Amino acid sequence: AQTVTQSQPEMSVQEAETVTLSCTYDTSESDYYLFWYKQPPSRQMILVIRQEAYKQQNATENRFSVNFQKAAKSFSLKISDSQLGDAAMYFCAYRSGSDTGRRALTFGSGTRLQVQP
Amino acid sequence: KAGVTQTPRYLIKTRGQQVTLSCSPISGHRSVSWYQQTPGQGLQFLFEYFSETQRNKGNFPGRFSGRQFSNSRSEMNVSTLELGDSALYLCASSSKGATRETQYFGPGTRLLVL
Repeated sequence: AQTVTQSQPEMSVQEAETVTLSCTYDTSESDYYLFWYKQPPSRQMILVIRQEAYKQQNATENRFSVNFQKAAKSFSLKISDSQLGDAAMYFCAYRSGSDTGRRALTFGSGTRLQVQP
Repeated sequence: KAGVTQTPRYLIKTRGQQVTLSCSPISGHRSVSWYQQTPGQGLQFLFEYFSETQRNKGNFPGRFSGRQFSNSRSEMNVSTLELGDSALYLCASSSKGATRETQYFGPGTRLLVL
């Protein structure tokens, strides 16, 4: 079974600074997808960024980028120029690329990010 | 395009009662998945529906059930509620449910069992 580990329960960053959230995963599959979701106090899960395992290039979305290390099974999220609105829980998630296997998202335990003004 | 909607947003029930939660996917989406979020267990997959058929099921007791209607709206039901069922229930939709697709989440229904 796939597992996703987020070893940082809480992180803090100063406004305008850069922060990196860590995520590691365990899988025997070669085809899969990785996601970072943000959950603000409203509890709505918002997709931040996704990465296809077959793509070597790291995904970026504006101030958000990932460092995807497939061999190390590591998928960290870098937030540049942190803003107060970035404060939230961040969840790393894994999804198998097989349409015949387990199709659900497997989530990590989350990292609570605080942004200090 | 409107996002995923869930009703009700908040519910308070007592042990032994049953509850039905509703999820309307993004227009055109035919796959709906349900997740339970608790402080202790985190986010756990309940089930997935596509074209009115349950396609995947998580490791939850039979008290948890669901269904999907022809308009892709989905409901989940929990019978004989237990205190441990207190949680945020999230539903997510995608177009065809293919694994390459991103799942988009609704705001959740917060259930409190007393």
